[in-house]
Amino acid sequence: NAGVTQTPKFRILKIGQSMTLQCTQDMNHNYMYWYRQDPGMGLKLIYYSVGAGITDKGEVPNGYNVSRSTTEDFPLRLELAAPSQTSVYFCASSYGERNEQYFGPGTRLTVT
Amino acid sequence: GQNIDQPTEMTATEGAIVQINCTYQTSGFNGLFWYQQHAGEAPTFLSYNVLDGLEEKGRFSSFLSRSKGYSYLLLKELQMKDSASYLCAVMDSNYQLIWGAGTKLIIKP
Repeated sequence: NAGVTQTPKFRILKIGQSMTLQCTQDMNHNYMYWYRQDPGMGLKLIYYSVGAGITDKGEVPNGYNVSRSTTEDFPLRLELAAPSQTSVYFCASSYGERNEQYFGPGTRLTVT
Repeated sequence: GQNIDQPTEMTATEGAIVQINCTYQTSGFNGLFWYQQHAGEAPTFLSYNVLDGLEEKGRFSSFLSRSKGYSYLLLKELQMKDSASYLCAVMDSNYQLIWGAGTKLIIKP
């Protein structure tokens, strides 16, 4: 049981490039989330999904897109990367909306 | 606006007790979570409070007062491995978590 896995662990992007951060969970959780964590700040919700085929915006969705074609996978797409997107990105999942969230190990992204 | 406040940093001695406070102002309340995050790692769940009172789980306890918008995390018999950041998060009326910036706890021998 791997839990929540994320790839890549680290990535450096040039301004204007695009990339997809992968997230997979094997706990059959319906709820999945993408957060970013900046130094000295709380986690900020980017997008979330309550089940396959359903996604919704969080607090900071601009510059990102998501899809949820299966229960297991919830990729995050960055289009036209900007320095403001330099951050650590965490994917998480939970059984229900009131339940504890399980986090992946994170992706450290630098945009230069 | 929604706001979670917790101290930026605290220092304590190995074997002692430390209390980390969290105050919140959110649109609605559906529970309060505490997570532990070691440097460079992902947050891991510690506790969940939705009713007033104290929840005890081994060396860790968490307290909630909804009328005061206040919670604390109590860590007893501190160990060096408890050196980490402790994140307070409140679930608002939309069932989204609003996160505090975290309290970095430094344990000294």
